[in-house]
Amino acid sequence: GEDVEQSLFLSVREGDSSVINCTYTDSSSTYLYWYKQEPGAGLQLLTYIFSNMDMKQDQRLTVLLNKKDKHLSLRIADTQTGDSAIYFCAESGTGGFKTIFGAGTRLFVKA
Amino acid sequence: GAVVSQHPSRVICKSGTSVKIECRSLDFQATTMFWYRQFPKQSLMLMATSNEGSKATYEQGVEKDKFLINHASLTLSTLTVTSAHPEDSSFYICSARGSGTDRPHEQYFGPGTRLTVT
Repeated sequence: GEDVEQSLFLSVREGDSSVINCTYTDSSSTYLYWYKQEPGAGLQLLTYIFSNMDMKQDQRLTVLLNKKDKHLSLRIADTQTGDSAIYFCAESGTGGFKTIFGAGTRLFVKA
Repeated sequence: GAVVSQHPSRVICKSGTSVKIECRSLDFQATTMFWYRQFPKQSLMLMATSNEGSKATYEQGVEKDKFLINHASLTLSTLTVTSAHPEDSSFYICSARGSGTDRPHEQYFGPGTRLTVT
């Protein structure tokens, strides 16, 4: 079945860039998402990319998609302590019916 | 726009009792709602998918008689945990997808409900 994998932990210094990586297996993925979850809260959509795109930039966030390798990354420029959270990679297929989530990457930002 | 609310945000109940969690789409029509369970420091586990007016589709391993889902209207879905036990303690999150939003393929998430069974 479909699977989404991501590293579980990332630690960076404030002001540095963070890069969170994700791989997925579903070749028919249509949408790929990055969600942010702060402690005790639900998920907040940060950004998404359509599968026919290679890159999407939104302020401090840059998403890169390598469809051939089924690899997705999220780069956060000038990482701040407020960016500390769990980041989930997710994908949904052509039907868009079910979204598959990765296990989440816990980002820790050191002041 | 596209706000999803959950109520209550936290609930503590005694073992053996039932508890109902509500999920509402506030400014759009949620044709599909999803219920997730999240264990500490773990990812979301999809429990079930419900379409308005029809029975929920449960994921493998989720007991439909224990986790009752009702999606009676386009703005409300409820999850009832029946005969709750301490192992049902968890963070339950709903999400909704539907018409009237900027991105109909996207799931909009509620803030979650922390259930503690004593």
